Amino acid sequence: GENVEQHPSTLSVQEGDSAVIKCTYSDSASNYFPWYKQELGKGPQLIIDIRSNVGEKKDQRIAVTLNKTAKHFSLHITETQPEDSAVYFCAATDTGANSKLTFGKGITLSVRP
Amino acid sequence: DSGVTQTPKHLITATGQRVTLRCSPRSGDLSVYWYQQSLDQGLQFLIQYYNGEERAKGNILERFSAQQFPDLHSELNLSSLELGDSALYFCASSVGYNSDYEQYFGPGTRLTVT
Repeated sequence: GENVEQHPSTLSVQEGDSAVIKCTYSDSASNYFPWYKQELGKGPQLIIDIRSNVGEKKDQRIAVTLNKTAKHFSLHITETQPEDSAVYFCAATDTGANSKLTFGKGITLSVRP
Repeated sequence: DSGVTQTPKHLITATGQRVTLRCSPRSGDLSVYWYQQSLDQGLQFLIQYYNGEERAKGNILERFSAQQFPDLHSELNLSSLELGDSALYFCASSVGYNSDYEQYFGPGTRLTVT
């Protein structure tokens, strides 16, 4: 089955700097890659996603890039703000008969004011 | 607010007991997914229902069962509870059948087994 790994497990950046979170996946059939943000005491919130027919997608300060050959995808956050501090999860799935989202372990991002 | 509601927010119960967690999907969504989140295992997919039928299964224990009702709300039943079942339980909903549709998560139910 699919295996999704996130690196690093924690990340601390200065407010205003950029943050990059990387994920690798194992199943070459995976074709959908969402990113979720989870704040303390809340459920995961979908912030951006990308499909395998696209290499990059942007939404204001957030972007995601996908390298299908290397089987990795990354979340880029520019001009970080304290409210970006949260746990970020990447996930991957295919569209097979019993397909399911497989999540990485999560990374804790801290933005220092 | 994702539009997905879950009740109760917190649940404290004893080992051996049975509990029911409830989820109402976003308006228009036909799929409901259940996930377990624990510190050591992360977010683990348990089961998916689409329009009342079971569609996909993950690492769901035999002590756990779920169903989706005609009004599309879903319930997750956990029985013979063990200390290790203590976790956050999330449901998510999406409009489509496959898992590559956007999934929107509810606020979760925190289960504590003592």
